[in-house]
Amino acid sequence: ETGVTQTPRHLVMGMTNKKSLKCEQHLGHNAMYWYKQSAKKPLELMFVYNFKEQTENNSVPSRFSPECPNSSHLFLHLHTLQPEDSALYLCASSQSRRQGDIQYFGAGTRLSVL
Amino acid sequence: GIQVEQSPPDLILQEGANSTLRCNFSDSVNNLQWFHQNPWGQLINLFYIPSGTKQNGRLSATTVATERYSLLYISSSQTTDSGVYFCAVEYRDDKIIFGKGTRLHILP
Repeated sequence: ETGVTQTPRHLVMGMTNKKSLKCEQHLGHNAMYWYKQSAKKPLELMFVYNFKEQTENNSVPSRFSPECPNSSHLFLHLHTLQPEDSALYLCASSQSRRQGDIQYFGAGTRLSVL
Repeated sequence: GIQVEQSPPDLILQEGANSTLRCNFSDSVNNLQWFHQNPWGQLINLFYIPSGTKQNGRLSATTVATERYSLLYISSSQTTDSGVYFCAVEYRDDKIIFGKGTRLHILP
């Protein structure tokens, strides 16, 4: 148990569906992250929030829309996804965005887009 | 952009053996991290190591920033060490780039 909880653990959706991934951390951290892990590509950092403000968006398509209502919760809203978006989506949190702050990861949501 | 290469891609060892994993990067970096992902997908941050050497139990890491490489040492391997080990570098504009990983399988 890392203190970072992701729901759902598995999600199957059609290309026209709208769904959301949820991440919650109970560590009192101020920075939260979304990562994408595809079967054939290295881990990719998607978004970073620090004190509820988005500080990084690494050229992620607009069909992925993050939301951070408070420091404990992070959402990833999904709409009109493509089959190549099927992947493991990992959420992480750290005390802040300072270098050296350890990131704690959730167990991930495995997404399949049909 | 920066290239991050990890070697070997796969490694199979007997329990109790020692191993060295390598991470090469093609440009100067602000920071370097090592991660372990267990067979069930859980990712754990092992080290933040922009330079020098750090140790944590049976694991240690050394980064030689001037020569653009980092090494992760695992001593007296246990089956629970199995999984994929990633290095990730932070460079300009705080971009984080991961290597493709080394898949380690420890046999009982």
